[in-house]
Amino acid sequence: AQSVAQPEDQVNVAEGNPLTVKCTYSVSGNPYLFWYVQYPNRGLQFLLKYITGDNLVKGSYGFEAEFNKSQTSFHLKKPSALVSDSALYFCAVRDPNTGFQKLVFGTGTRLLVSP
Amino acid sequence: GAGVSQTPSNKVTEKGKYVELRCDPISGHTALYWYRQSLGQGPEFLIYFQGTGAADDSGLPNDRFFAVRPEGSVSTLKIQRTERGDSAVYLCASSLGAVDTGELFFGEGSRLTVL
Repeated sequence: AQSVAQPEDQVNVAEGNPLTVKCTYSVSGNPYLFWYVQYPNRGLQFLLKYITGDNLVKGSYGFEAEFNKSQTSFHLKKPSALVSDSALYFCAVRDPNTGFQKLVFGTGTRLLVSP
Repeated sequence: GAGVSQTPSNKVTEKGKYVELRCDPISGHTALYWYRQSLGQGPEFLIYFQGTGAADDSGLPNDRFFAVRPEGSVSTLKIQRTERGDSAVYLCASSLGAVDTGELFFGEGSRLTVL
């Protein structure tokens, strides 16, 4: 069964500094990987995805993520954090080999960007 | 509206009562998903519809939970004989087609509290 781990409950970073939010996954085959963000009192929003191809994927709001098959990781990154990036971030995985459409989400990482 | 609409936004009920939660997806989206998010956890898959049929209901926790989508648009999640452990935010999402496209559009959720 597929699973996702987000080892950090919270990440603190100063505005203007680079940020990384970690995610590792476990699937039987090649994964489909996603990042979603949840702002307070808002629904989950899609940020980016990796399906195939270039290991570095770019998404919304200047975020990017790097797929690393040997380390089974898909860390979310941004070169320069903004206070407005403060939110709850979820990594998700789908195992295309199962034939199921469901995404399995991690427990989330709260990003706090200080001014 | 342009987004996924969920009603009610908040529902407080007593143990043993019956509850219905409604989801109105984005027009034209054939795929619809229900997830459940407990406090401090990531969204947990419940059921996936493609059109009118439940293509995957493997996440429904037990037979007290049931969902329908009779006309391929609006969906209702039904919970019988509610228990305190059912308290959570129930999220609905829709997409144009398969989740491989990456972008699920989530509603703001229905917060269910069972007293």
